[in-house]
Amino acid sequence: AQSVSQHNHHVILSEAASLELGCNYSYGGTVNLFWYVQYPGQHLQLLLKYFSGDPLVKGIKGFEAEFIKSKFSFNLRKPSVQWSDTAEYFCAVNGPSSGSARQLTFGSGTQLTVLP
Amino acid sequence: DTEVTQTPKHLVMGMTNKKSLKCEQHMGHRAMYWYKQKAKKPPELMFVYSYEKLSINESVPSRFSPECPNSSLLNLHLHALQPEDSALYLCASSQDRFNEQFFGPGTRLTVL
Repeated sequence: AQSVSQHNHHVILSEAASLELGCNYSYGGTVNLFWYVQYPGQHLQLLLKYFSGDPLVKGIKGFEAEFIKSKFSFNLRKPSVQWSDTAEYFCAVNGPSSGSARQLTFGSGTQLTVLP
Repeated sequence: DTEVTQTPKHLVMGMTNKKSLKCEQHMGHRAMYWYKQKAKKPPELMFVYSYEKLSINESVPSRFSPECPNSSLLNLHLHALQPEDSALYLCASSQDRFNEQFFGPGTRLTVL
């Protein structure tokens, strides 16, 4: 079964600081990659996705992520965070699980706190 | 309409009760999912329906029983739950098993 690792459990930044959240996955075959965000009291929302093509993908609210196949990584970045970016961020990988069925596997999440 | 709706928003039930959670989408998606999410944890997959057929059951106890009456609706029937089943239950849908999933707001379930 595939696994997804998010190395930072809690990140605290001041406004205007740059952000990079790490994500690594275990499966070496074809996968689709996602970052989801969960703002306090709100539902999971898609930030960005990677299926194929340009490994640098841009998402909503100024976020971007880079897919590095050789490192099995899909790190999330934002040049300048805002207080409103305070939320839980989940990396997720869609790939084969047991057998051939594809499913979405989430990382453990990173809580981002942005101080005003 | 790009929403997944879930009812009820909150549910409190005793261990002997029977209740149902409902999920609806009108995006023409053919895959629908139930997840369980505990506080500060990622969603855990419970069930996957693809073209209205159950395709994944992640070893979920039989006290949870999913149902997909049609391509827009997904139910989760609950019976004889345990207090440790208290969690946020999320429904999601996607165009197919490969594409991004759209999540509903969830049902906050408390089992007394």
